[in-house]
Amino acid sequence: NAGVTQTPKFQVLKTGQSMTLQCAQDMNHEYMSWYRQDPGMGLRLIHYSVGAGITDQGEVPNGYNVSRSTTEDFPLRLLSAAPSQTSVYFCASSYGTLNTGELFFGEGSRLTVL
Amino acid sequence: AQKITQTQPGMFVQEKEAVTLDCTYDTSDPSYGLFWYKQPSSGEMIFLIYQGSYDQQNATEGRYSLNFQKARKSANLVISASQLGDSAMYFCAMREGNAGGTSYGKLTFGQGTILTVHP
Repeated sequence: NAGVTQTPKFQVLKTGQSMTLQCAQDMNHEYMSWYRQDPGMGLRLIHYSVGAGITDQGEVPNGYNVSRSTTEDFPLRLLSAAPSQTSVYFCASSYGTLNTGELFFGEGSRLTVL
Repeated sequence: AQKITQTQPGMFVQEKEAVTLDCTYDTSDPSYGLFWYKQPSSGEMIFLIYQGSYDQQNATEGRYSLNFQKARKSANLVISASQLGDSAMYFCAMREGNAGGTSYGKLTFGQGTILTVHP
C-alpha cells in the first residue's frame, strides 16, 4: 500500500528557480492538501483541494500554485523560489465524508533555497 | 487568536511513567475534531488519537488517551507507561466543520511539544 507519495524527498534550489513538488495518493481520497513545517510554527496550510478541479488557498499561499486535474495527484509549484520558502513540505489526503477527517501524510520533502 | 495552543515547548519524563501534553483550542463551530500526531526524528507524521466534539467519552488508543474537557476547550494527550520510543515531537490539531464540508479535510496545528523520555 503506497498511501501518499511525495517526490522529491530533498531538493536544493537557487533563488528565482522554479520547481514542482509531486504528490500522489492511491486511497481515492477526495481531499488533498499541502502543508509546510517550519521550526516553532507547527504545520501551516498552503493550499487545499476538495476534489478534482477544485482548489482553495490556505494560510500561507503566496509564492505557490496548485492544480488538481485528477483525484490522485496534487502537485505544488514554486514559481520563483525564495529563501523564505526553505522548509519541509508535507502533502496529505483525507476522506471527505463518513470519517473523522484524519489526514494521511506523505513522508515530507525538504527544500532548501539558497 | 491562535486556534491551537501547545504551551509546553519541551517535556521530560522518566521511562515507565505517565506524561500529559497540554493542548487548548479555540473555535465557535459546534462540530469539530481534535487530533494528536507524533513526529519522530525520522520526520514522518503518525496519527495517534482522535476526539470528536460530540463524543461523550474520552478517546483511548492503547497507551494513549485524550483528556477532553469541552468547557475548558482543552484536549490533553496522556501517555501512560512511557517508552524510549515515545521520544518525539507531538502535535495537537483541530478540524472544524462537518463531513462533506469544505473545511473538513483541513487541520490547524499547534506549535508542537518535544517529548524526551529518559531511561
